[in-house]
Amino acid sequence: GAVVSQHPSRVICKSGTSVKIECRSLDFQATTMFWYRQFPKQSLMLMATSNEGSKATYEQGVEKDKFLINHASLTLSTLTVTSAHPEDSSFYICSASPANIQYFGAGTRLSVL
Amino acid sequence: AQRVTQPEKLLSVFKGAPVELKCNYSYSGSPELFWYVQYSRQRLQLLLRHISRESIKGFTADLNKGETSFHLKKPFAQEEDSAMYYCALSDAGGTSYGKLTFGQGTILTVHP
Repeated sequence: GAVVSQHPSRVICKSGTSVKIECRSLDFQATTMFWYRQFPKQSLMLMATSNEGSKATYEQGVEKDKFLINHASLTLSTLTVTSAHPEDSSFYICSASPANIQYFGAGTRLSVL
Repeated sequence: AQRVTQPEKLLSVFKGAPVELKCNYSYSGSPELFWYVQYSRQRLQLLLRHISRESIKGFTADLNKGETSFHLKKPFAQEEDSAMYYCALSDAGGTSYGKLTFGQGTILTVHP
């Protein structure tokens, strides 16, 4: 299957700092990528749809100024958690789809101290 | 609004026993249904999708539009099947193409 690479796998930061997470499609081009958030032993919650060359589409209740998404190329989308706070600590997962099958990154565990 | 419900958060069976993970959905359009699996310390990966009608690792799932269900079944569970299973729905023909709505997940434990 297709490969989606996510980096970093884990990040620890101080409250108030910003953190950038990268999502790359390694062997296909993705005009659309998705960003999810997963709480421990819970389901994945879609945060936003990242669209190459245009603005991301955010789900209801997700602060777009808090979670900045940039999809500057057909193989890279980035999620920046701005002014992170402890409540932003979570597991963030991206996915991309060469067809109507989504392939997932390994996820990024963010811990905000 | 689309919704996926997995009524069982935990499911335990013994090796060799049949297993069924339930999934019900609500959606007004033409959905595509998927089962994703997440093994311990691994990424989420596709197990099967309803339109392919494949059997993967012995698992099958049939879309029942009348009952709006897409239950996952395996006649003889194996220990290596222990994992978290997610049922997911995609809007196949709408404007949110590819966007997935996940169920809450079922943790399957297969005991030796």
